[in-house]
Amino acid sequence: DAGVIQSPRHEVTEMGQEVTLRCKPISGHNSLFWYRQTMMRGLELLIYFNNNVPIDDSGMPEDRFSAKMPNASFSTLKIQPSEPRDSAVYFCASTSGAVWYGYTFGSGTRLTVV
Amino acid sequence: AQSVTQLDSHVSVSEGTPVLLRCNYSSSYSPSLFWYVQHPNKGLQLLLKYTSAATLVKGINGFEAEFKKSETSFHLTKPSAHMSDAAEYFCVVSEIGTYKYIFGTGTRLKVLA
Repeated sequence: DAGVIQSPRHEVTEMGQEVTLRCKPISGHNSLFWYRQTMMRGLELLIYFNNNVPIDDSGMPEDRFSAKMPNASFSTLKIQPSEPRDSAVYFCASTSGAVWYGYTFGSGTRLTVV
Repeated sequence: AQSVTQLDSHVSVSEGTPVLLRCNYSSSYSPSLFWYVQHPNKGLQLLLKYTSAATLVKGINGFEAEFKKSETSFHLTKPSAHMSDAAEYFCVVSEIGTYKYIFGTGTRLKVLA
């Protein structure tokens, strides 16, 4: 099993540009989470999908952020337009059914907006 | 409301000596508790979890944690630190039946040669 796969690993973009982060969860996992990690705020849950349906997007900071899960094997997190304060490491995680099984995290995408 | 407090932001130990990373939690119901480790520039990896079975939980790489309800604690221990244990460790609480994790602020473990 290749685990949760995120791409790209690093992204550097200019302020105002659109950024798309990608995630492939573990096959068979039906819950997917997007997190953001910064020094100041630690790990923040952005959005949670269950069976490809967004269940809780209350952590999405503002309308510039959007996430989709068109099928069970792919999700995207888009920022448009990007701002320097969006610079962070973005993690995708997945789990099968009950969250007390534990999440499997991807290696993250380090986003730098200049 | 659930919360978790990691009592030390940084811990330094010498290689071969015991490790103790402290975590206290607050939860209204039966909590699930986890420890995750994050090595530099890596994702988070599950070390161990408590889900209302045995109170002493063994995890990977020789780590273990004991759930103490009376003290609302879930401290992580290892008898003998290895250089490869240097990383950031996160204590996490979740209530059974919910999907949300509440992360602690992390403890950075430094292992001295």
